[in-house]
Amino acid sequence: EPEVTQTPSHQVTQMGQEVILRCVPISNHLYFYWYRQILGQKVEFLVSFYNNEISEKSEIFDDQFSVERPDGSNFTLKIRSTKLEDSAMYFCASSTRTSRSDTQYFGPGTRLTVL
Amino acid sequence: QKEVEQNSGPLSVPEGAIASLNCTYSDRGSQSFFWYRQYSGKSPELIMSIYSNGDKEDGRFTAQLNKASQYVSLLIRDSQPSDSATYLCAGPRGNTGKLIFGQGTTLQVKP
Repeated sequence: EPEVTQTPSHQVTQMGQEVILRCVPISNHLYFYWYRQILGQKVEFLVSFYNNEISEKSEIFDDQFSVERPDGSNFTLKIRSTKLEDSAMYFCASSTRTSRSDTQYFGPGTRLTVL
Repeated sequence: QKEVEQNSGPLSVPEGAIASLNCTYSDRGSQSFFWYRQYSGKSPELIMSIYSNGDKEDGRFTAQLNKASQYVSLLIRDSQPSDSATYLCAGPRGNTGKLIFGQGTTLQVKP
């Protein structure tokens, strides 16, 4: 069964460093999302991406964040200058969004630890 | 007012019992909802989606949607210890379909 994959599973970085989180969505999906979950808190939407551009972003997704689909398979989230509060699980999700099917399938996540 | 609300629990039920998980939402325009299961340290895993008023059954799981009351529930029959997890209710919003999640309800099934 096709699945969303993410790398790395765990990333440790120093405050102020740049990190890139990578995702490979399910191959026939057209809509891509990043969410994050701070430990003990709910899953929060960061950004959605469709047709090679951002379709919506949350207040969390400030100028330090960017997303890119550099080729036909990868979808990346870059944090330019990490802060302590960026420590969280980051989930990539994808969907086909055909008619009423909005089902989003989540990858296993990347645990980001900022020291 | 939170868009999607869940009682964080924990909800504790004995093995074999029915677990009832509830969720309320504020957006009357919501058309669909999703129940995800999340084990500690893992990603959300889709259990069920529901688009219409009424019940939808899939194996041991039944989702119920009441749009008039803005209420969604998930029933788990014959609960097993492996069902112990956090259950997330989520609704898509806007044209992009971003998911708004509730806080999640922690379910503990005791052998």
